[in-house]
Amino acid sequence: ETGVTQSPTHLIKTRGQQVTLRCSSQSGHNTVSWYQQALGQGPQFIFQYYREEENGRGNFPPRFSGLQFPNYSSELNVNALELDDSALYLCASSPSGTSGFRGTQYFGPGTRLLVL
Amino acid sequence: SQQGEEDPQALSIQEGENATMNCSYKTSINNLQWYRQNSGRGLVHLILIRSNEREKHSGRLRVTLDTSKKSSSLLITASRAADTASYFCATLGNTPLVFGKGTRLSVIA
Repeated sequence: ETGVTQSPTHLIKTRGQQVTLRCSSQSGHNTVSWYQQALGQGPQFIFQYYREEENGRGNFPPRFSGLQFPNYSSELNVNALELDDSALYLCASSPSGTSGFRGTQYFGPGTRLLVL
Repeated sequence: SQQGEEDPQALSIQEGENATMNCSYKTSINNLQWYRQNSGRGLVHLILIRSNEREKHSGRLRVTLDTSKKSSSLLITASRAADTASYFCATLGNTPLVFGKGTRLSVIA
C-alpha cells in the first residue's frame, strides 16, 4: 500500500457529461501527477501539480483540468466526455516538485471510468 | 506518445524459473524505472536505475541499463505465482515519466 487513495473506484458516465475524480496524496508529498491508462496500454501523463499550480502537462486537451488543494489532495476534471476517455485514471504523489520529475512516484489504485 | 517499448509483450514461465523483460527507449534519460501492475490496478514502483549506473539489484530483481543502446532489462529470479502481473519500464528525462506498453508475465504454479 502506498498511502495514496482515489475515489471513486469505478464510474460510468455518458458522452458529453462531466466527471471529477479525486486523489489524496501520501502524507508529506506535495506533488501529484495524473495519468490515463487505456486498456492494454501504459499510463500516459496528463499533468502534474506542485504547491497548487500546474507544473507540467502532457498531450491532453484543455477539457482535462485539475486542481490541487492546500492539503495536497487533488482533483481531475474532464468536461464533454468522449467515448475514448474510457480508461483507468491513476494519480501518483511524490515528495517534492523539484525532484518529482526525477524520483519515485507512488501510485493510487486508480479510478476506472467508462463512458457510454 | 510512449517512449519505452517492452519486449516481449507477454511471457509465460513455470514457477521457479527466471523471467527476463527488456525495454528500449528513444531519447536521453535521467533515470529509468520499473513498475509492476496487478490486474489493471495501481502501479507499484520496483526499482530505479540512474543513467550513470549500469546494474542494480533489489531482492530477486536485477536491472541493467545500457545507455549506448538505449535499453534496459529486468530479471526476476526464482519466480513465484505472485509475480504474475504486468511490468512497465518508465523513462525520465526532461519530461515526466514516459511509460511503455508493458510485458504481461504469467507465472504458472
